[in-house]
Amino acid sequence: SQQGEEDPQALSIQEGENATMNCSYKTSINNLQWYRQNSGRGLVHLILIRSNEREKHSGRLRVTLDTSKKSSSLLITASRAADTASYFCATKSGGTSYGKLTFGQGTILTVHP
Amino acid sequence: NAGVTQTPKFQVLKTGQSMTLQCAQDMNHEYMSWYRQDPGMGLRLIHYSVGAGITDQGEVPNGYNVSRSTTEDFPLRLLSAAPSQTSVYFCASSYTGTDTQYFGPGTRLTVL
Repeated sequence: SQQGEEDPQALSIQEGENATMNCSYKTSINNLQWYRQNSGRGLVHLILIRSNEREKHSGRLRVTLDTSKKSSSLLITASRAADTASYFCATKSGGTSYGKLTFGQGTILTVHP
Repeated sequence: NAGVTQTPKFQVLKTGQSMTLQCAQDMNHEYMSWYRQDPGMGLRLIHYSVGAGITDQGEVPNGYNVSRSTTEDFPLRLLSAAPSQTSVYFCASSYTGTDTQYFGPGTRLTVL
């Protein structure tokens, strides 16, 4: 079963606006990652936030993590048409040293020029 | 570095046929995995490997076999293809001790 559920399933905005996507999960995690997938391509890692972190930034990306609510959000500021893609959260649980991840269903983001 | 490569890009099979999806990485990653992606389902883990000679099942392993004879290669075998295996298949790899995964471009498989 899927660990993460993402909301909304689809998001349509204009260039320059901010985009916020949310991810909820069910069990305790070690870390949470966000990936981007352009149409017809593989996934590309964006950012990782550990369970003891609350917020992390990378360029125009801001990720928050609330372990008490078992949720995370990805904010893309000043969006561009090139940000059009599907965005997935992925969680890692357990004490293993390898990256066995569980992915959410994804949010489809469309940024109109 | 080529990163993670997958072949073929597209494949059409008939029910009952067998085939092997190829995956290779040139980053010396210990961990490799196979996912399938279906509409509305996200990615689901099929099999994974933490090193040469070591493989284990993921969430949806039925109908698939894997082996890992070298660090670089991790082929996925469909033993007897079924229409339910129509999907896009992704291979991914990472270093042990890190969780950031590098994905291949995918193989789009249709089983008629």
